[in-house]
Amino acid sequence: AQSVAQPEDQVNVAEGNPLTVKCTYSVSGNPYLFWYVQYPNRGLQFLLKYITGDNLVKGSYGFEAEFNKSQTSFHLKKPSALVSDSALYFCAVRAGGNTDKLIFGTGTRLQVFP
Amino acid sequence: NAGVTQTPKFQVLKTGQSMTLQCAQDMNHNSMYWYRQDPGMGLRLIYYSASEGTTDKGEVPNGYNVSRLNKREFSLRLESAAPSQTSVYFCASSILGGWSTGELFFGEGSRLTVL
Repeated sequence: AQSVAQPEDQVNVAEGNPLTVKCTYSVSGNPYLFWYVQYPNRGLQFLLKYITGDNLVKGSYGFEAEFNKSQTSFHLKKPSALVSDSALYFCAVRAGGNTDKLIFGTGTRLQVFP
Repeated sequence: NAGVTQTPKFQVLKTGQSMTLQCAQDMNHNSMYWYRQDPGMGLRLIYYSASEGTTDKGEVPNGYNVSRLNKREFSLRLESAAPSQTSVYFCASSILGGWSTGELFFGEGSRLTVL
């Protein structure tokens, strides 16, 4: 069965510093991997995805993610964090079959301090 | 530019009461989904509808029923609410098909409290 794990409940980073939010996956076959962001009292918003091709995927708001097949990881990164990046981040993997249904990780809260 | 619209946004129920959460999308998407979000557990899929006229169980279907009323609307019903169903519920949709990017589009959520 497909699954993703987010080992950190919270990540704290100073504004202007690089940030990394970790995600590892377990899938049979080729993985379809996603990152979503959730701001307080809002729905989830799509950030980026990896389907195939270049291992470095660029997304919205300056975020990028690196797909690493040997380490089964898909970490979210940003070179310079902003206070406005503070939110809840979810990694997800496509469950397979004839739908786009996603299996989500437990989420990582990113706190960026001024 | 509504996207995915959920109603109601907030609801308080007593144990044993019933209610229906409504969801509608205006993007002509084929697939629709209901997830629940609980602290420390991420989002878990309750039910989904791959296309109009079909529905299937997700990870946590017990205590819920769904109806895909038409291509736009997908409702979630709690027949006899229990405190364990206190959660934030999200409806989502996706294109599915030849133009599918795999991306899900989410509503703003419905916060349900069962006393």
